[in-house]
Amino acid sequence: GDSVTQMEGPVTLSEEAFLTINCTYTATGYPSLFWYVQYPGEGLQLLLKATKADDKGSNKGFEATYRKETTSFHLEKGSVQVSDSAVYFCALLNYGGATNKLIFGTGTLLAVQP
Amino acid sequence: DVKVTQSSRYLVKRTGEKVFLECVQDMDHENMFWYRQDPGLGLRLIYFSYDVKMKEKGDIPEGYSVSREKKERFSLILESASTNQTSMYLCASTRGGVNTEAFFGQGTRLTVV
Repeated sequence: GDSVTQMEGPVTLSEEAFLTINCTYTATGYPSLFWYVQYPGEGLQLLLKATKADDKGSNKGFEATYRKETTSFHLEKGSVQVSDSAVYFCALLNYGGATNKLIFGTGTLLAVQP
Repeated sequence: DVKVTQSSRYLVKRTGEKVFLECVQDMDHENMFWYRQDPGLGLRLIYFSYDVKMKEKGDIPEGYSVSREKKERFSLILESASTNQTSMYLCASTRGGVNTEAFFGQGTRLTVV
């Protein structure tokens, strides 16, 4: 079945460091891919998305490119801030006829130190 | 402002009780989902529904059932609660189609004692 694998955390970085969180997926067909973020004490919210191969999603300085050849959707940011500390989830949405099945990875905790 | 509302933020129930978790969305979304979130395991899909009275099992449906009698409401039922069902439960909804964002409720922290 469909699945998402993302790098385990926690990831601890100093402010202004470069961030990469790896995400790979297994799916039939052509899923849409997402990154969601969960700040402490809050629910999940969409960070960025890409719906087809070679699309790049971006938001708040974060970017991810949908790579079909490597089945990957790695999250990157050039300079992290303390306020980026959160749990990041990679997800795929596989649209099959009438149903949409939304599958998440295990999440990666990012801690940014001043 | 779009909203997914879960009926309780915190819940404590006894082993063997029947537990109902309610979720309501005001966006006229076709799809609704129930997940549980556990440390180190991420979000695991319990059940989802793509239309009224329609449901499909997710990855961990054992011990749970669901009900969707109206489009805006999706209920998760623990028929006989057990301690291993202590968890954070998250409800989400999406409209149909491939380019669609999921909206989440704030979660229900369920403790079974």
